[in-house]
Amino acid sequence: EIVLTQSPGTLSLSPGERATLSCRASQSVSNNYLAWYQQKPGQAPRLLIYGASSRATGIPDRFSGSGSGTDFTLTISRLEPEDFAVYYCQQYGSSSFTFGPGTKVDIK
Amino acid sequence: QVQLVESGGGLVKPGGSQRLSCAASGFTFSDYYMSWIRQAPGKGLEWVSYISSSGSAIYYADSVKGRFTTSRDNAKNSVYLQMDSLRAEDTAVYFCARRTGVNRAFDYWGQGTLVTVSS
Repeated sequence: EIVLTQSPGTLSLSPGERATLSCRASQSVSNNYLAWYQQKPGQAPRLLIYGASSRATGIPDRFSGSGSGTDFTLTISRLEPEDFAVYYCQQYGSSSFTFGPGTKVDIK
Repeated sequence: QVQLVESGGGLVKPGGSQRLSCAASGFTFSDYYMSWIRQAPGKGLEWVSYISSSGSAIYYADSVKGRFTTSRDNAKNSVYLQMDSLRAEDTAVYFCARRTGVNRAFDYWGQGTLVTVSS
């Protein structure tokens, strides 16, 4: 099973700042089956990025994903007030899925 | 618009059983793989199971294998999770989610249903 590690655990930033979130896999993620989700309290997760770098429908272009193999990054170019949330990465391989433990982006 | 609505959560005793349902609408249900994903209170996301579009292929996380059973009824646009031999650590909000075709991500999620396992 591929284990995903996310860093940092918490990121304290101000609106307008740039956020860089990391997701590292214990083995190479096949076919770049790597996705990112945003979750706010009391809500279901929302798909942001799939295939490591493709934005899901309706996702603003301030969100971007990059990386391949074992190292992936989610970048939020300029934080808006609604972007303060928890972010999870997720991978697929060998007929199973795993999620990372999450990065909380909170207001500094 | 795509909608996924879970039901069937509640309080159940350790060792007991519970059946969750997820009703889908707004898309051609029989074309999509569906999955169950859970989230323990205050914790992260854990994938539980997925089922192929026809129901012929089903996979489970090791933590639930042998205790949980996923099924679907394409005529009713619904997917189910039968949970047996429940443990305290199964306490979580259970989400159903639609899996994208090519990229193995989850593009639509239900609002979740809470299952609490406690005596």
